[in-house]
Amino acid sequence: GQSLEQPSEVTAVEGAIVQINCTYQTSGFYGLSWYQQHDGGAPTFLSYNALDGLEETGRFSSFLSRSDSYGYLLLQELQMKDSASYFCAVRAYNFNKFYFGSGTKLNVKP
Amino acid sequence: DTAVSQTPKYLVTQMGNDKSIKCEQNLGHDTMYWYKQDSKKFLKIMFSYNNKELIINETVPNRFSPKSPDKAHLNLHINSLELGDSAVYFCASSLRQGEQFFGPGTRLTVL
Repeated sequence: GQSLEQPSEVTAVEGAIVQINCTYQTSGFYGLSWYQQHDGGAPTFLSYNALDGLEETGRFSSFLSRSDSYGYLLLQELQMKDSASYFCAVRAYNFNKFYFGSGTKLNVKP
Repeated sequence: DTAVSQTPKYLVTQMGNDKSIKCEQNLGHDTMYWYKQDSKKFLKIMFSYNNKELIINETVPNRFSPKSPDKAHLNLHINSLELGDSAVYFCASSLRQGEQFFGPGTRLTVL
């Protein structure tokens, strides 16, 4: 089966840096994605790591280490609007299945 | 222009009723999905269609039946609604691996 573990909640202050971890157990997958979801909204795509290493997109970076079964999302220069839930997800080798982590609620405080 | 749209946005209905949710994408993607997000925000894939053909059918009750009349549409019909069906249902589409575009969601409340 597939399972992706994330911390349930993280709190940080405006301007700070925060890292949201994702550890997984999966038999095989194409890559690790990250999505942001504001309360009452839809998930929106943030980043994708097909290969090990760091991918940077503006204030957001994502990292994958297949050997450690681990990835993370790094958010820099936090803003109040970054308060949301963040999900990691994998697309498994078997057919076209996407599996999502349980989500991390990020609270950004002034 | 809306990329992935769903109707209705809210659906309140009685137990035992039958209802449908419609989804359309104008992105030209080949693959479309239905997800269920429960009250704890857990996102679970239900169905996936590629070019109108069903490729994933997770273990959902057979009261749920997806239909894809063409590549741009994927509808979800639910028979004999139960209290446990209350959730937010998201339609999504994708072209490239890892990146999915989600619709705004349909909040279903079964009374």
